[in-house]
Amino acid sequence: EPEVTQTPSHQVTQMGQEVILRCVPISNHLYFYWYRQILGQKVEFLVSFYNNEISEKSEIFDDQFSVERPDGSNFTLKIRSTKLEDSAMYFCASSVGQGAGEQYFGPGTRLTVT
Amino acid sequence: AQSVTQLDSQVPVFEEAPVELRCNYSSSVSVYLFWYVQYPNQGLQLLLKYLSGSTLVKGINGFEAEFNKSQTSFHLRKPSVHISDTAEYFCAVHYSGTYKYIFGTGTRLKVLA
Repeated sequence: EPEVTQTPSHQVTQMGQEVILRCVPISNHLYFYWYRQILGQKVEFLVSFYNNEISEKSEIFDDQFSVERPDGSNFTLKIRSTKLEDSAMYFCASSVGQGAGEQYFGPGTRLTVT
Repeated sequence: AQSVTQLDSQVPVFEEAPVELRCNYSSSVSVYLFWYVQYPNQGLQLLLKYLSGSTLVKGINGFEAEFNKSQTSFHLRKPSVHISDTAEYFCAVHYSGTYKYIFGTGTRLKVLA
């Protein structure tokens, strides 16, 4: 069964550094998403992406965040200057459509900012 | 505002006993509903989903949930739990016309021997 993959599984970075989290969505999916989960808290939506544009974003997704689909298979989340509070598990997801289609989640990347 | 409420942050239950985990959402014309399970230090695994049709949906590992539109609820049930069901359970709602899932705050199910 096809699945969403994410790399790396764990990333440690120093405050102020840039990080790029990578995701490979399911190949025939057209909608892509990033969510994050701070330790012990709920999963929060960051951004959705369709047709090479951001289709929806949350208040969390400020100017330090950006997303890109650099080629036909990868979907990336960049954090320009990391803060301690960016430490979280980041989940990528993809779906065929926007409506009733299920979003398939990847295993997550744990980001630790020191 | 769109929101999802899981009233129980923790639910302890003895092995082989039944369990119900509650989920309520703010009213909307059309919603799609999901339950996910998360084991420690792992990702999100889909347990079951309601997209349309029968209001009683069955999922993996013996779990089921019932969509109640009038009560705006989607409670998760299992008739007999096992130790291995100990995990965090998240309810998620996709409101029609939006892109995002809104997750509840989670319920930690602890199954006791």
